[in-house]
Amino acid sequence: GQQVMQIPQYQHVQEGEDFTTYCNSSTTLSNIQWYKQRPGGHPVFLIQLVKSGEVKKQKRLTFQFGEAKKNSSLHITATQTTDVGTYFCVMDTGRRALTFGSGTRLQVQP
Amino acid sequence: DAMVIQNPRYQVTQFGKPVTLSCSQTLNHNVMYWYQQKSSQAPKLLFHYYDKDFNNEADTPDNFQSRRPNTSFCFLDIRSPGLGDAAMYLCATSRDVSYEQYFGPGTRLTVT
Repeated sequence: GQQVMQIPQYQHVQEGEDFTTYCNSSTTLSNIQWYKQRPGGHPVFLIQLVKSGEVKKQKRLTFQFGEAKKNSSLHITATQTTDVGTYFCVMDTGRRALTFGSGTRLQVQP
Repeated sequence: DAMVIQNPRYQVTQFGKPVTLSCSQTLNHNVMYWYQQKSSQAPKLLFHYYDKDFNNEADTPDNFQSRRPNTSFCFLDIRSPGLGDAAMYLCATSRDVSYEQYFGPGTRLTVT
């Protein structure tokens, strides 16, 4: 079956430092979505990537989809305390409902 | 304006006593999902409805059932809750299975 790895599991950074989380699939993906879940909150959609090699930016967030459509990354430039939360990649193989990655929990020290 | 509403927000039930969680949506989305999320874990998909078509995940226990009487409402029934079923239960909707999901605030279930 499909295997999903998201790394790191946890990252603690100083405010202003950069942060990156990676998502790797054992199978080719139809598309990938990224969600953010604040502590005590529910997942909130950030972006969807569909095309091979696609790069999308949202202010300080940069999302990439690998050329082989098996991996993706989320990079945050100059983190702020409002970036605290868990970031999930959610994978779509095109055959069933989406699968959540294990998540990366980001803690930002002011 | 709430788009995905879950009631109640907190539910306490006794071991073995059936409990129903509810979800409603104002988005008119085709797909409704139920997830179970335990502390420090990713949401785990239990099942989803595409319109009236029910799709169960292979590892969802038989103890968990769902009903979708119309487009707007979906229910999660736990027939005999065990202590291991204590968790946050998240409802989500999407226009189609490959589209972004909109999550409700969740219902935190406690089993005593």
